[in-house]
Amino acid sequence: ELKVEQNPLFLSMQEGKNYTIYCNYSTTSDRLYWYRQDPGKSLESLFVLLSNGAVKQEGRLMASLDTKARLSTLHITAAVHDLSATYFCAVDGVGSGTYKYIFGTGTRLKVLA
Amino acid sequence: GAVVSQHPSRVICKSGTSVKIECRSLDFQATTMFWYRQFPKQSLMLMATSNEGSKATYEQGVEKDKFLINHASLTLSTLTVTSAHPEDSSFYICSARDDGGLDETQYFGPGTRLLVL
Repeated sequence: ELKVEQNPLFLSMQEGKNYTIYCNYSTTSDRLYWYRQDPGKSLESLFVLLSNGAVKQEGRLMASLDTKARLSTLHITAAVHDLSATYFCAVDGVGSGTYKYIFGTGTRLKVLA
Repeated sequence: GAVVSQHPSRVICKSGTSVKIECRSLDFQATTMFWYRQFPKQSLMLMATSNEGSKATYEQGVEKDKFLINHASLTLSTLTVTSAHPEDSSFYICSARDDGGLDETQYFGPGTRLLVL
């Protein structure tokens, strides 16, 4: 059974600081997705990582994927208050014979001004 | 970009009534759609995979007779919560996979917030 874990679950950080959110998954997959969710809203797609070694950057966020370690990271550089949200990673179970996403536990980020 | 809509966005109903939620892919065809449920401060949990022209595949622990799914066209899937009870109150989110897409990316709808009194 595919399991996806994120850490930390909660993160409170000062503006201007850097931090990394980790996403570990339990079975083979070459596809990993990062989403942002604001309170009361649905998911906003941030990154689609489709191969080992993939790295993508958008603004202050950078995501990477290491399929051999079954690990993805979401790095935040010089955080600003607007980044406060809950961040989810999701793994596509295609390597397990299914096409469904399994979501991580989520990381609730609060950036303090 | 690929757009998925949901209707209604919010619904309040009395216990024992049925509620239908629609999920539409607006600019692409989707043989496969997915229904998720999210309780407050929790992650998204997949309820079922909706397949156009065939029966939905339900995840373990999800009652298929309570959560009826119909995927009658390539752009529409519906989820009906039958005989809703307060514990069914949740945020329901659908997603759709683009049949013409180059990968397995799912596109998410804006969600439907259900409150059962």
